[in-house]
Order: sequence, then C-alpha cells, then structure tokens
Amino acid sequence: AQKITQTQPGMFVQEKEAVTLDCTYDTSDPSYGLFWYKQPSSGEMIFLIYQGSYDQQNATEGRYSLNFQKARKSANLVISASQLGDSAMYFCAMREPPSNKLTFGGGTRVLVKP
Amino acid sequence: AAGVIQSPRHLIKEKRETATLKCYPIPRHDTVYWYQQGPGQDPQFLISFYEKMQSDKGSIPDRFSAQQFSDYHSELNMSSLELGDSALYFCASSPGTSGKYNEQFFGPGTRLTVL
Repeated sequence: AQKITQTQPGMFVQEKEAVTLDCTYDTSDPSYGLFWYKQPSSGEMIFLIYQGSYDQQNATEGRYSLNFQKARKSANLVISASQLGDSAMYFCAMREPPSNKLTFGGGTRVLVKP
Repeated sequence: AAGVIQSPRHLIKEKRETATLKCYPIPRHDTVYWYQQGPGQDPQFLISFYEKMQSDKGSIPDRFSAQQFSDYHSELNMSSLELGDSALYFCASSPGTSGKYNEQFFGPGTRLTVL
C-alpha cells in the first residue's frame, strides 16, 4: 500500500517570503503521480501542482514549484513570495492504481503573517 | 469553466436517519470519486466509478452505497447515520487519461452533520 507523510502539522511564514512544505512517500509502483492540493478555511480542495514519477524536470506552476527528489522519495512544495491568501491547509497526495484514487498525507497548515 | 457540483452543500440529520448526497461531474469526465474528510483529518477515499461501473472501493461502511447514473452523475446513499459520519464529503471527477495529469477536480463538498 502507498503511504504519504507530511511531518509539519503547522507553520508560520512571513508575507513575501518563501516556504517549503515537506512530503515523503512510499510506493512499490514505478509509475506514480504526486499532487499538491490547497484547502482554505472555506473547505474546497484546490489543485496546485503535479509531478509524475517519470518527469525529468521539477514541476512549476506560477509561484508553486515542486522539489522532487526521487531517490529520497520526497516531493516538497515550495511557495515563493507568500501572500496572505496562501494561508490554508496543504495536502500532498499520491495517485494509486488501478482506479487512480488519491491517498493523502496528514496535511500542513500554513499561516502567512503580514 | 464548469466545475463539479455537489448538493446539498449542508445537511443536518438525526442519528439513524438516511441521507443522499449528489454529485454532478464536469461534462465529459467519465470517472467519479467520493472522499470523506472528518474534522481535522485528511480526505479518505470511499468509492469510485468509471463509466457507470464501480472501479474501486475504499473504507466505505456497509451502511453506505453509491452508484453512477447514465448521465454520469453519482449519488452516495447513507443509512443508519451515526455521529461519526459527520464529515465533509467530497466528490471529484476526472477526465481519465485524456486529462493532462489525470488529475481529479474536487467539488465544494457536502458538510454532513449528524445530531
């Protein structure tokens, strides 16, 4: 079975600074996909970024980038130039075959301070 | 762009009652997933459907059942509700392999409170 671990339950970050959210995973499947979702206090789940196991380059989407270290089985999310609206819960998730259901980590709550 | 629609958004029920949650996926998405997120927890996979057939099953209680209809909308039926069923229930849809990342798009969720 696949497993996702997020070791940081919560963290503060100063506005305009960068923050790194840790995610480690465990899987025996050579083909896998990793996702990051943002969940604001309103509750919706917002897709941020994706990294495939065979992708040669680290994924980037605007202010979000993924530090993918395959050998270490880590896929850390980097948010650059933090904004107050980035305050939310962030979940790392892995796609699991055959249905591609998502297995989530425990989440990291980020609070951006002005 | 059209998003996943879930109804109702909020639902309050008594113990031992039944509840039906509805999900309308994004047009042309052929796969629907249901997740349950308890207070302060991460979402847990319940069940999924592909082309109206059940494709996978997670930790879904026997009191729950679900199906996907010919128009691809899905319903999650919950009977003999318990206090522990209070949670945020997400439906997500996916375009499958035709999507860029085979990603799942989540609906806004149905917040179920069992009293």
